[in-house]
Amino acid sequence: NAGVMQNPRHLVRRRGQEARLRCSPMKGHSHVYWYRQLPEEGLKFMVYLQKENIIDESGMPKERFSAEFPKEGPSILRIQQVVRGDSAAYFCASSQLPGTSEVNEQFFGPGTRLTVL
Amino acid sequence: DQQVKQNSPSLSVQEGRISILNCDYTNSMFDYFLWYKKYPAEGPTFLISISSIKDKNEDGRFTVFLNKSAKHLSLHIVPSQPGDSAVYFCAASVLNSGNTPLVFGKGTRLSVIA
Repeated sequence: NAGVMQNPRHLVRRRGQEARLRCSPMKGHSHVYWYRQLPEEGLKFMVYLQKENIIDESGMPKERFSAEFPKEGPSILRIQQVVRGDSAAYFCASSQLPGTSEVNEQFFGPGTRLTVL
Repeated sequence: DQQVKQNSPSLSVQEGRISILNCDYTNSMFDYFLWYKKYPAEGPTFLISISSIKDKNEDGRFTVFLNKSAKHLSLHIVPSQPGDSAVYFCAASVLNSGNTPLVFGKGTRLSVIA
């Protein structure tokens, strides 16, 4: 089953540490999206990437957050100097190239639950 | 400012009856709508979608209705089964712009009682 993979599933960090979240898209998918879900909230878009390109980062906080999707390897969401308010579930989704499907369907990974102590 | 609203945080339905989940949106640029189902500690799973050129799409027990003039869509599940108990998210996108991010509602928790 070549679904969207995310690791780690759970991550605990102390305030001030760095958090690195990884996402491997589905086979054949070249578009990756990161979403954040706070408790009792819906998923909020953070960033949209293709290989080696950030397409849309309008949902990313201006400081401490960064994302990349290198030519080889998974997409990484990096949070520097984490604070308690960063505690959330972070979901990655992937989709096909535009034009290859009429469906703008994004497939989601199981998420990484970040807890900041 | 919430562009996609699910005003009912929860819904309880008896097994075998119809479940109706509602969703409203404010952005008239949205032209593609999706419903996702989410179990605890799992990622959202795609359920059904509808393009703005249609007003209905059906897939087995699941039907989505779109009323563009009212900027309203609904998901009907019939008959409801206990395994349908989950959180359902409505999402919208601007399909004509390519692979754009999804805008999600806050979700409705459906409980199907046996």
